[in-house]
Amino acid sequence: DAGVTQSPTHLIKTRGQQVTLRCSPKSGHDTVSWYQQALGQGPQFIFQYYEEEERQRGNFPDRFSGHQFPNYSSELNVNALLLGDSALYLCASSLEGKGETQYFGPGTRLLVL
Amino acid sequence: AQSVTQPDIHITVSEGASLELRCNYSYGATPYLFWYVQSPGQGLQLLLKYFSGDTLVQGIKGFEAEFKRSQSSFNLRKPSVHWSDAAEYFCAVGPMNTGFQKLVFGTGTRLLVSP
Repeated sequence: DAGVTQSPTHLIKTRGQQVTLRCSPKSGHDTVSWYQQALGQGPQFIFQYYEEEERQRGNFPDRFSGHQFPNYSSELNVNALLLGDSALYLCASSLEGKGETQYFGPGTRLLVL
Repeated sequence: AQSVTQPDIHITVSEGASLELRCNYSYGATPYLFWYVQSPGQGLQLLLKYFSGDTLVQGIKGFEAEFKRSQSSFNLRKPSVHWSDAAEYFCAVGPMNTGFQKLVFGTGTRLLVSP
């Protein structure tokens, strides 16, 4: 049973560009959350998708957007990249419901030059 | 506002010695509590979680954590550390009263294990 997978593993972009990160949830999971982990920090919640809709969002600008597909996989899009967007982006999947455990993927490391 | 404090940025422990990593949280009510471990260049692996019931919870790899409501703490312990335990450890809280699963993480504690 595959766990949470993310692609690509690493990415280098320049300021102003756009990037798309992808996530496939653990088998049977229907909820996907995205987190940003800056160097030396804990992960910070970006947003969560369930039933193909964003249902909760952290303190991130509209440059960060996402999508969830009918097969529950998800994409994170970041427009107009800034140097400060350089981070490890983590996807977590879970079942919908109170207190369901989130399982994390290995992350995509984004470097913005 | 919800927050998690891990007061120790780095901890060095000798192999075979005991370990305690501290975690304090600020939350409107009793939250769900988690400890995750992150090895270099890796994602997060769940060590253990507290939802309700017995305040001493057992996790994987010989770890345990104790929830103390009066102190708003959820400290992680291990009686005998192995070199492979060297990693970054994150405490996190999540809401108990909704189906939303937004986790709030601490800044992490890096564990170094000396021979």
